[in-house]
Amino acid sequence: GAVVSQHPSWVICKSGTSVKIECRSLDFQATTMFWYRQFPKQSLMLMATSNEGSKATYEQGVEKDKFLINHASLTLSTLTVTSAHPEDSSFYICSATEGTRISTDTQYFGPGTRLTVL
Amino acid sequence: SQQGEEDPQALSIQEGENATMNCSYKTSINNLQWYRQNSGRGLVHLILIRSNEREKHSGRLRVTLDTSKKSSSLLITASRAADTASYFCATGPWGAGGTSYGKLTFGQGTILTVHP
Repeated sequence: GAVVSQHPSWVICKSGTSVKIECRSLDFQATTMFWYRQFPKQSLMLMATSNEGSKATYEQGVEKDKFLINHASLTLSTLTVTSAHPEDSSFYICSATEGTRISTDTQYFGPGTRLTVL
Repeated sequence: SQQGEEDPQALSIQEGENATMNCSYKTSINNLQWYRQNSGRGLVHLILIRSNEREKHSGRLRVTLDTSKKSSSLLITASRAADTASYFCATGPWGAGGTSYGKLTFGQGTILTVHP
């Protein structure tokens, strides 16, 4: 089946630094990738939709200047948390679709990245 | 308000028993999907049911959808310890083209524990 990887799997950083998380589709081309955030024992909240070659679409309440998303190729999207603060500590998960753009396209999820900001 | 609310929040059963989880949603949907998440890991897609379907099976999984009640259920039969995980329902919006493409709204999840 389709595989999505994320790197790193976990990261600890100091407050004020920026952290980049990569999301890769390993065996398919993903025209659309999604970034989610999950707090402990809570559900996933969609942060943004990333389309290859265009600007990401952010959900209401998500600061685009803080969470920079780049989808430079059909297999790679990156999320950069800029000037991270402890409240940004969370589990970040990406997903990707093969992009037939029908409503029943399966989303393949990455294993997630645990971010801890000290 | 939360789309895709699930109950129970936690379910503890013995191996071999059946596990039933329910999901309710508020707005019209195109499809409803169920995912499993092992602790601290990503999500695994289990099954998708379209709004014009009422029941779907996949191995030990059985999903029902009642659009009149805006609810769905996931039944895991003959559960195993390896089924221990969190289970989430996620809804895809009606008319999911354009800017709504792929946008899933997740429920709060049910934590299932299967004791050996």
